[in-house]
Amino acid sequence: NAGVTQTPKFQVLKTGQSMTLQCAQDMNHEYMSWYRQDPGMGLRLIHYSVGAGITDQGEVPNGYNVSRSTTEDFPLRLLSAAPSQTSVYFCASSVTSGSGNTIYFGEGSWLTVV
Amino acid sequence: AQSVTQLDSHVSVSEGTPVLLRCNYSSSYSPSLFWYVQHPNKGLQLLLKYTSAATLVKGINGFEAEFKKSETSFHLTKPSAHMSDAAEYFCVVTGFQKLVFGTGTRLLVSP
Repeated sequence: NAGVTQTPKFQVLKTGQSMTLQCAQDMNHEYMSWYRQDPGMGLRLIHYSVGAGITDQGEVPNGYNVSRSTTEDFPLRLLSAAPSQTSVYFCASSVTSGSGNTIYFGEGSWLTVV
Repeated sequence: AQSVTQLDSHVSVSEGTPVLLRCNYSSSYSPSLFWYVQHPNKGLQLLLKYTSAATLVKGINGFEAEFKKSETSFHLTKPSAHMSDAAEYFCVVTGFQKLVFGTGTRLLVSP
């Protein structure tokens, strides 16, 4: 029962380095999204996609890029990591973007930028 | 625009006593509402969801929530807390293409 799979689970980066957080789902969901979780702030939407080839910005997109070349995969790229990007990142998916659809989350990726 | 407010950042209960986690929402149309739970260093697990069917929603692990439109509330309750309930709980409202999360309530359960 794979569901939503995120890798890596833990990563330490130096300021200025780039990296990609991988996200894959095996449920044929149209809608995928990335969130970051910071203490006392809940989860905030970074980017989302309503289908292959379609992406859009969320609440906190600066410093992050995404692409959606297949239905299954939705990687999140940090082009030049900054300490402010130290956070826990969650990938999520659902059948469609419509209200009421259950959102499934990955296990999270803990990222530290030093 | 949609928003959700979790009224308590921390709630402390004793094992075996009732749990009440409070959530108020704001939505310009009929909302869908969720409660998720996150155990330390883990992902988010769906507890229950409301999607305009029955106003009293039963979830996993004995939790339930009641949608009250007149009070714009969706409080989470459990009759008897268990040590394993200690976690962070998030109230979530959905709109087109995105979720809006509350800031979370940390539930502490003492023996």
